[in-house]
Amino acid sequence: EAGVAQSPRYKIIEKRQSVAFWCNPISGHATLYWYQQILGQGPKLLIQFQNNGVVDDSQLPKDRFSAERLKGVDSTLKIQPAKLEDSAVYLCASSFQEGHHSYEQYFGPGTRLTVT
Amino acid sequence: AQSVTQLDSHVSVSEGTPVLLRCNYSSSYSPSLFWYVQHPNKGLQLLLKYTSAATLVKGINGFEAEFKKSETSFHLTKPSAHMSDAAEYFCVVSGVNTGFQKLVFGTGTRLLVSP
Repeated sequence: EAGVAQSPRYKIIEKRQSVAFWCNPISGHATLYWYQQILGQGPKLLIQFQNNGVVDDSQLPKDRFSAERLKGVDSTLKIQPAKLEDSAVYLCASSFQEGHHSYEQYFGPGTRLTVT
Repeated sequence: AQSVTQLDSHVSVSEGTPVLLRCNYSSSYSPSLFWYVQHPNKGLQLLLKYTSAATLVKGINGFEAEFKKSETSFHLTKPSAHMSDAAEYFCVVSGVNTGFQKLVFGTGTRLLVSP
């Protein structure tokens, strides 16, 4: 079974530039998550999708971050404009959902973003 | 609100000795608890999970954890460390957000294993 795919694996940009990350979840997983993991901290949920709808984006800095999952499969997370404090690993995860029961989240390898 | 506290940022052991990674949780109701492992440049992998069944949970690679409600703890143990166990370990509590699982991660414990 193919895992969660993410690209790029690494990205270096200057502050005020924009950047986009892509995630392709495991086939059949309706729920998709984006996390931000700052060095030395645990991952923090940014946004959660169920199919193409947003379930939770309460921790997403909406003035600069946006995410979409238009066809309910792959997803894109964008930052515009980037700040130094956005330097982190961005993790994508997916899970199978059955009614109100969520199964295990499977994580991708992450995209390491460095903002200079 | 739910949270977890990992009591040690770093733990150093010698190969072949026991491993203990400590985690305390806070939850307003009976929680689901997990331990995830993160090897360098690899994705997070689920080690084990507690979901209100048996309080002693066995996971992969010889790890296990015991849920102790009276102590609000969920410590991770392994009888004998292997060099390949060196990684970052995260204790995680799960809440339910409008019917969907929401994971809250601790700050992580880095396990160092020396020969």
